[in-house]
Amino acid sequence: DTEVTQTPKHLVMGMTNKKSLKCEQHMGHRAMYWYKQKAKKPPELMFVYSYEKLSINESVPSRFSPECPNSSLLNLHLHALQPEDSALYLCASSQGTENTDTQYFGPGTRLTVL
Amino acid sequence: AQTVTQSQPEMSVQEAETVTLSCTYDTSENNYYLFWYKQPPSRQMILVIRQEAYKQQNATENRFSVNFQKAAKSFSLKISDSQLGDTAMYFCAFMKYSLRDDKIIFGKGTRLHILP
Repeated sequence: DTEVTQTPKHLVMGMTNKKSLKCEQHMGHRAMYWYKQKAKKPPELMFVYSYEKLSINESVPSRFSPECPNSSLLNLHLHALQPEDSALYLCASSQGTENTDTQYFGPGTRLTVL
Repeated sequence: AQTVTQSQPEMSVQEAETVTLSCTYDTSENNYYLFWYKQPPSRQMILVIRQEAYKQQNATENRFSVNFQKAAKSFSLKISDSQLGDTAMYFCAFMKYSLRDDKIIFGKGTRLHILP
């Protein structure tokens, strides 16, 4: 089973709204990732959680707030977003241990900020 | 810093033909991984194939194979007997060997169209 699930599939929000994206995996992976992907571009790394601790923050604006409540779950809290934040948000996970590498991606949440 | 370059933004081939997607990378690391990911239109990104740099043998997965040239820092993907379902964006990616999690460096992608 190499499944990473993400909800919702689509999200439309106003600039004053607060919303959350959810990502879940049950593969026992200990590293989880958030990426932002614009159309026809490669994914851009936002955050990495390793063993439920934030290990990489790629200078992401504070209007994006990640949370890792447990080893299977990763959230991305959104507040006061801008229209340019509209994108596909991808979650990924990997085993997160030595000599293990492959990241498995979820289907993404397509976010539109009005 | 590592970089990944895909020099073909877009390609089209007829169904059943063989197609090769190019990828070069730059790194000073000796231990690393290379990947090809496939992202069909409006669908999930999936791993096609991966290669460990310390392995000389080229990785293969059914119709997909790579030509890994470590000295030349080249990692091309060959798709044999191409099918309509192979239509997708293909990303070449690099990751250095790490004790735990680490960043994937993606190329800009090659959009592949398989024509009926």
